[in-house]
Amino acid sequence: KQEVTQIPAALSVPEGENLVLNCSFTDSAIYNLQWFRQDPGKGLTSLLLIQSSQREQTSGRLNASLDKSSGRSTLYIAASQPGDSATYLCAVDRGGYSTLTFGKGTMLLVSP
Amino acid sequence: DTGVSQNPRHKITKRGQNVTFRCDPISEHNRLYWYRQTLGQGPEFLTYFQNEAQLEKSRLLSDRFSAERPKGSFSTLEIQRTEQGDSAMYLCASSLIGQGAKTQYFGPGTRLLVL
Repeated sequence: KQEVTQIPAALSVPEGENLVLNCSFTDSAIYNLQWFRQDPGKGLTSLLLIQSSQREQTSGRLNASLDKSSGRSTLYIAASQPGDSATYLCAVDRGGYSTLTFGKGTMLLVSP
Repeated sequence: DTGVSQNPRHKITKRGQNVTFRCDPISEHNRLYWYRQTLGQGPEFLTYFQNEAQLEKSRLLSDRFSAERPKGSFSTLEIQRTEQGDSAMYLCASSLIGQGAKTQYFGPGTRLLVL
């Protein structure tokens, strides 16, 4: 059974810092990995999707990497802003037409 | 593209009552998923449809839960004889089968509270 772990569970940083969120998964036979953002009481917003054949994806200040063999992914946020405060969730897709297995998320607070 | 919509956004009910939630996926998306999220946890898969066919159901989906997607458009999730343990956020997502990556787009969720 696939298990996804996210570390740390919570993170508080001052505005402007660069930060890294970690995600690990137990079964390396994944099709892709997605990073989502969730604001309190809201749904999920997809940030980045990395296919299993890729090593990284970038969007603006966000960069996600994937090391399938070691079962790890990182989300790098550059020059953090208060608007980045949210819970960040990592999810893996075990098959091309299948469902997502999520971690519990990292709650990020960026203070002005 | 109006995004995935879900109704109602909030539902409070008494234990033992039946509730029904609706999800409207992004137009032309042929895959539709239901997830459940409790406080402090990531979403957990419940079931998914490809067009009108329900292709997979999680063991979390007890026989009190039923989902439909008539005509392959909107979907409904019904919970019969609700229990306090059913209190959660119910999330719907949709995606489009095709070449390349398959991003799932999520709706805002329906928050259920069972008293």
